[in-house]
Amino acid sequence: GENVEQHPSTLSVQEGDSAVIKCTYSDSASNYFPWYKQELGKGPQLIIDIRSNVGEKKDQRIAVTLNKTAKHFSLHITETQPEDSAVYFCAASRADSWGKLQFGAGTQVVVTP
Amino acid sequence: DTGVSQNPRHKITKRGQNVTFRCDPISEHNRLYWYRQTLGQGPEFLTYFQNEAQLEKSRLLSDRFSAERPKGSFSTLEIQRTEQGDSAMYLCASSPRGEIQYFGAGTRLSVL
Repeated sequence: GENVEQHPSTLSVQEGDSAVIKCTYSDSASNYFPWYKQELGKGPQLIIDIRSNVGEKKDQRIAVTLNKTAKHFSLHITETQPEDSAVYFCAASRADSWGKLQFGAGTQVVVTP
Repeated sequence: DTGVSQNPRHKITKRGQNVTFRCDPISEHNRLYWYRQTLGQGPEFLTYFQNEAQLEKSRLLSDRFSAERPKGSFSTLEIQRTEQGDSAMYLCASSPRGEIQYFGAGTRLSVL
């Protein structure tokens, strides 16, 4: 089955700097890659996603890149703000899996003022 | 609020007791998922419903676990004879087409 690895497990950045989180996946049939943000006491919230027919997607300060050949994808957050502090999860799913998501272990991001 | 609703938010129970959680998905979302999340880990898939049909169950879902979605709307997850290892956050998500999933706030279970 699919295995998703996520690095780093913790990331501390100064406000205004950029943050990058990287994930690798094992199943070449995976074709959908969402990123979720989870704040304390809340459920995961989708922040951006990318499909395998696209190499890069951007939404304001957030961007995701996908390298299908290397089977890795990354989340980029620019101009970080204190409210970006949270746990971020990458995930992957394949078209024939009913949308079942396989998550990475998460990255705790701390943005210091 | 039209998001995914889960109740209760917290449940404390003694080992050996049965517990039941409820999930109300976003209206007209025909796909519903249950995940389990332990501390410091990402959510792990438990089971999936399309309308009222349970189409997939993870090996994580032992025979003490049962899930239903009787009318294709809300769903329940029951754990019988709870064990300390069942302590976790149980998350429900719904989706209109199986890709973008919207999560509820979860039910945190503590088994003493």
